[in-house]
Amino acid sequence: GAVVSQHPSWVICKSGTSVKIECRSLDFQATTMFWYRQFPKQSLMLMATSNEGSKATYEQGVEKDKFLINHASLTLSTLTVTSAHPEDSSFYICSARVTRPRLEQFFGPGTRLTVL
Amino acid sequence: QKEVEQDPGPLSVPEGAIVSLNCTYSNSAFQYFMWYRQYSRKGPELLMYTYSSGNKEDGRFTAQVDKSSKYISLFIRDSQPSDSATYLCAIPPPGGYQKVTFGIGTKLQVIP
Repeated sequence: GAVVSQHPSWVICKSGTSVKIECRSLDFQATTMFWYRQFPKQSLMLMATSNEGSKATYEQGVEKDKFLINHASLTLSTLTVTSAHPEDSSFYICSARVTRPRLEQFFGPGTRLTVL
Repeated sequence: QKEVEQDPGPLSVPEGAIVSLNCTYSNSAFQYFMWYRQYSRKGPELLMYTYSSGNKEDGRFTAQVDKSSKYISLFIRDSQPSDSATYLCAIPPPGGYQKVTFGIGTKLQVIP
């Protein structure tokens, strides 16, 4: 299957700082990428859908000014958590979709964010 | 009614047992069905992909779709401790242009 990477795999930061997470599709081009958030023992919660060259579409309740998404190329999408607070501590997972030869969605390994 | 329903478990079985994981869905237009496996603190990985009704086998794993009942299953034969993970069903929408709907995931523990 296709490979999606994320960087960093974990990050610890102070409250009030901004953190950028990168998501790359390594061996394919992805016009659509997704950002999920997962709290312990809970399922994936879709935060936003990122389309290359256009603005991201955010799910209801997700603050677009707090979670900035940039999908500047067909292989890279970034999520920036601005002015992070302890309640933003979570596991963030990106995913990239391919539509040919069939629709499939591949996930990155996730980034664990801890805000002190 | 949720589009996809999945029992969160946890499900504990002895090593070697046959495991049955299930999801129900509400939209009869769904055509493709996927199963993901997620180990603790890792991203989900695609396990199996099926289309339409019937069975699909891959090693110890069998995915089954019953469109008449809107019911999908994942069977694991000869379960191993390494199968301990959370299993999520996922259903892409018809047309493929909206978000995939994921089940909440069933946590499986295979006890040696």
